[in-house]
Amino acid sequence: GQNIDQPTEMTATEGAIVQINCTYQTSGFNGLFWYQQHAGEAPTFLSYNVLDGLEEKGRFSSFLSRSKGYSYLLLKELQMKDSASYLCAVKDSNYQLIWGAGTKLIIKP
Amino acid sequence: GAVVSQHPSWVICKSGTSVKIECRSLDFQATTMFWYRQFPKQSLMLMATSNEGSKATYEQGVEKDKFLINHASLTLSTLTVTSAHPEDSSFYICSAGAGVTEAFFGQGTRLTVV
Repeated sequence: GQNIDQPTEMTATEGAIVQINCTYQTSGFNGLFWYQQHAGEAPTFLSYNVLDGLEEKGRFSSFLSRSKGYSYLLLKELQMKDSASYLCAVKDSNYQLIWGAGTKLIIKP
Repeated sequence: GAVVSQHPSWVICKSGTSVKIECRSLDFQATTMFWYRQFPKQSLMLMATSNEGSKATYEQGVEKDKFLINHASLTLSTLTVTSAHPEDSSFYICSAGAGVTEAFFGQGTRLTVV
């Protein structure tokens, strides 16, 4: 079966750095996505990786290793507004998005 | 990025009634749209794939007669929850893809059935 694993919840301090890991086992691979979702709102797109390596976009970076079925989202200079759920999703061989359960990130002052 | 508009953002209805949710792609044509349901503290669950001009493809366990999907144009898909019951209360989200990269989501609809 297809499976995406990410931690349920993480806590970090304002101004610090946090890394959210995601491992996946899917039938085929056509890209990995990270989305941010605040409570009661729809997800918003953060990043897309299809090749191995690190993609940096401002305070957020995303890393992919296809051979290991592994990705992480790195958030730097954490702000209180970064408190949200972070969803990892993979497009399989049929280009269907397979979603992880999400990681709830709690930022403390 | 592309804009997907979903309406209404929230709705309260009585048990046994039907509710229609609209999803529009405002600045691009979407041959395919996706309907998700999300229960509290859970991830997105794909309900069905809406295809313009043809029948929707439903995921296993989703009742097609209860969740009616119509994709009559390249910019509009609708989801109708028929004979709604309290267990249908959930957050419903549509999305449309622009190519093979990111999916764009509507604002979501909070449905409460009383």
